[in-house]
Amino acid sequence: AQSVSQHNHHVILSEAASLELGCNYSYGGTVNLFWYVQYPGQHLQLLLKYFSGDPLVKGIKGFEAEFIKSKFSFNLRKPSVQWSDTAEYFCAVISGGSYIPTFGRGTSLIVHP
Amino acid sequence: IAGITQAPTSQILAAGRRMTLRCTQDMRHNAMYWYRQDLGLGLRLIHYSNTAGTTGKGEVPDGYSVSRANTDDFPLTLASAVPSQTSVYFCASGESGGANVLTFGAGSRLTVL
Repeated sequence: AQSVSQHNHHVILSEAASLELGCNYSYGGTVNLFWYVQYPGQHLQLLLKYFSGDPLVKGIKGFEAEFIKSKFSFNLRKPSVQWSDTAEYFCAVISGGSYIPTFGRGTSLIVHP
Repeated sequence: IAGITQAPTSQILAAGRRMTLRCTQDMRHNAMYWYRQDLGLGLRLIHYSNTAGTTGKGEVPDGYSVSRANTDDFPLTLASAVPSQTSVYFCASGESGGANVLTFGAGSRLTVL
């Protein structure tokens, strides 16, 4: 079965710092990859996705993620975080013949102004 | 506004009681899902439905049941609630297929005493 690992459970940064959140998955075949974000008190929403093509994908609010197939990774990055980026971030993977997304445990990001 | 409606928003109930969480979508998505979100455990899939009339078990199905009588509705029932089912429950829907971007509801916070 597919598994998704998010190694950073809690991240605390100051505004303008750079961000990188790790995501690794276990399935070795074709995958579709997602990052979802949950702002405080809100429901999850899509941040960005990768299906094929350019492995560097850009999402909303200045976020980007890079798919590295050889490392089974899909890390999320942002060059300069803002206080409003404080949220829970979830990596998700769809793989093989299953169309059901498997989610990582999430990373809680706190950005201090 | 198109989306997912969950009810109730919050509920406290005694152990042993029966409870149904309601979920309705108006996007005509084929697939629907129920996840529970627990601190440190992220999102775990309870049950899913790839299309009306079919359902399947997720990662943590015990103690829960679902039905999918039509495209729009996907209720989650706890036949006899236990304290370990205290959680936030999210309903989601998607087009199914590999490019399955999920739309989430606002969540139902359930406390079992």
